Amino acid sequence: DAKTTQPPSMDCAEGRAANLPCNHSTISGNEYVYWYRQIHSQGPQYIIHGLKNNETNEMASLIITEDRKSSTLILPHATLRDTAVYYCIVRVPGGSEKLVFGKGTKLTVNP
Amino acid sequence: NAGVMQNPRHLVRRRGQEARLRCSPMKGHSHVYWYRQLPEEGLKFMVYLQKENIIDESGMPKERFSAEFPKEGPSILRIQQVVRGDSAAYFCASSPLPPLVGTEAFFGQGTRLTVV
Repeated sequence: DAKTTQPPSMDCAEGRAANLPCNHSTISGNEYVYWYRQIHSQGPQYIIHGLKNNETNEMASLIITEDRKSSTLILPHATLRDTAVYYCIVRVPGGSEKLVFGKGTKLTVNP
Repeated sequence: NAGVMQNPRHLVRRRGQEARLRCSPMKGHSHVYWYRQLPEEGLKFMVYLQKENIIDESGMPKERFSAEFPKEGPSILRIQQVVRGDSAAYFCASSPLPPLVGTEAFFGQGTRLTVV
């Protein structure tokens, strides 16, 4: 079973920031938080990951609370092409553990 | 560096035939994962393989499904005697060996199997 809880859907206006929350209250000390997204009918796309510090890359920012029980993925300027299902996953990094996908959040970016 | 390659992208099989799905991981990746996504549903883990070894097949149906990842060549997911319920998108992902801090899995574009 997935170890995370996400809202089933969210809407965002084009050009605005999209803030996607994720709860992972049972996360263990060596587990990272990963975010993937799946644009309709395509393969899941890696976005970002982090352990405890905030992270930023060219796609998004990841804010992890100090107790690590929740996090927020931020798309700073959402576009229509960001409409997708976003999955928050916790796992130990490396190839020894499979990714377990929950139901994710369906983000719809509106014009 | 080419991404994860899956072929065919679309596959149509009649009930009772065999379906063979191929996945070539990214260069340097020795871990392969297979996932299935039924229409309007989420991604479900099927099997995790390293070269020549099945590590975790807890998501594989007990019958008709098998997977391999030989020393040379792509990983193969084989479905024998397909039924209409096997119609789905099958995704493959790969990640590198040895495990490194912060590594992530990369997915292919999937094979869409339709059983008629």
